[in-house]
Amino acid sequence: AQSVAQPEDQVNVAEGNPLTVKCTYSVSGNPYLFWYVQYPNRGLQFLLKYITGDNLVKGSYGFEAEFNKSQTSFHLKKPSALVSDSALYFCAVRALSSYNTDKLIFGTGTRLQVFP
Amino acid sequence: DGGITQSPKYLFRKEGQNVTLSCEQNLNHDAMYWYRQDPGQGLRLIYYSQIVNDFQKGDIAEGYSVSREKKESFPLTVTSAQKNPTAFYLCASSIVRGQGRFYEQYFGPGTRLTVT
Repeated sequence: AQSVAQPEDQVNVAEGNPLTVKCTYSVSGNPYLFWYVQYPNRGLQFLLKYITGDNLVKGSYGFEAEFNKSQTSFHLKKPSALVSDSALYFCAVRALSSYNTDKLIFGTGTRLQVFP
Repeated sequence: DGGITQSPKYLFRKEGQNVTLSCEQNLNHDAMYWYRQDPGQGLRLIYYSQIVNDFQKGDIAEGYSVSREKKESFPLTVTSAQKNPTAFYLCASSIVRGQGRFYEQYFGPGTRLTVT
C-alpha cells in the first residue's frame, strides 16, 4: 500500500537550535516527495520537493530535506529554528491513482513549536 | 496562496442543505483538486480534474459533487448526503506534465464549513 507516515504529532525546539521533522514513505517505483507548511486557518504552502538527483534538497525559508532511499525517509531539517517557523508541516508522496493519473498522499502532519 | 482563490473563508449551513464552495485559479493550470482536512487526519482527496469537462472521484467522494466547465473554476458542492460535512476544505491546482503526471500542487487559502 502507498502511504506516508509522520511519526511525531508534535516537535518542540528552542529558537536557534536545529530542527528535524520526520517522514517515511511507502510507494512503488521512484518516489516524488514533497513538504508543505500550513499556518493556522490558511492553505498549504509548498516548501520543497525531491524528484531525482541530489539527496539533499534545499527549499524555501531556509528549510532542507534529506532523501534516504534505503531508509525510505525524507526528513525535513533547518539548521537554526525561528519562532515564526511554528506551524503544521505535511509530508506528501506522489502516487498513481486507479485512473492511472498522479495523486498526492499526505501524512497526518507534525506540529512544530519553536520556543523563544 | 497566490493565484488560487476560495470563497467564502467561513461558511455556515443548516443540516440538510446543499452548499457550494468556490475555487478559482489564474495560474493556467490544467489540473485542479479538492481536499478535505480534519484534525489529526491530514488531507484526503475528494475529487480531481485533469481537463475541462472531465473529473474523477478521489478517496472520499461520497456526498460530494463537482463540475469543471471552465479551466479556471472547479466548484465543489457538499450535498445533504455527506454525513459529516463540517471540515476545512482546500482546493489545489497543478501543471499536468503529460499523461496525468504532475509535480507540486499549489493550494488555495481554504474554506471552513460548519454544518449544524
